[in-house]
Amino acid sequence: DAGVTQSPTHLIKTRGQHVTLRCSPISGHKSVSWYQQVLGQGPQFIFQYYEKEERGRGNFPDRFSARQFPNYSSELNVNALLLGDSALYLCASSQGASGGYGYTFGSGTRLTVV
Amino acid sequence: GESVGLHLPTLSVQEGDNSIINCAYSNSASDYFIWYKQESGKGPQFIIDIRSNMDKRQGQRVTVLLNKTVKHLSLQIAATQPGDSAVYFCAETAANQAGTALIFGKGTTLSVSS
Repeated sequence: DAGVTQSPTHLIKTRGQHVTLRCSPISGHKSVSWYQQVLGQGPQFIFQYYEKEERGRGNFPDRFSARQFPNYSSELNVNALLLGDSALYLCASSQGASGGYGYTFGSGTRLTVV
Repeated sequence: GESVGLHLPTLSVQEGDNSIINCAYSNSASDYFIWYKQESGKGPQFIIDIRSNMDKRQGQRVTVLLNKTVKHLSLQIAATQPGDSAVYFCAETAANQAGTALIFGKGTTLSVSS
């Protein structure tokens, strides 16, 4: 079975641009969560979506937004990119809405802002 | 007083030795704890978990110990192998609350020499 898939794997953007990151959960998983991992640190929670509704939001500015589609895949959008947005963006899927239980992480998208 | 087990950012061991990685968690309301292994270029991989109603749980070559009194978690790896080299993170959450997130601790880089 396919695990959590994220695309693209790497990308480079310029300050002020917009970026869209995509995540496909494991088949049967209805929850998708997004995390940002800055180099040398642990992942930090950005959003959780369950059954297409936002269920949790971390301490990130409004430049960050996300949505979940009827097939449970998800997009993370970041507007007006800053150099500090450079990070590994991780997607995790799970069957239920409970925070952190039964998570499987994808390999992430490495975003570099120049 | 005696230290319970300080977090070390790096740990170097010889192949075959036992490794102990320590973690202090922050939230007294957390009731579910997970250890993750993260290899370079990959997302966090689940190793073992423990609920707050337990103080010890064993897996294959790994044991997690939970001390709720001092909010301390440890991961013991028996007979450490070169393939165990990675960054290890502990994470905490309130598992039964929808929309809550994993809170990751500071990682420990384990290096195993043969």
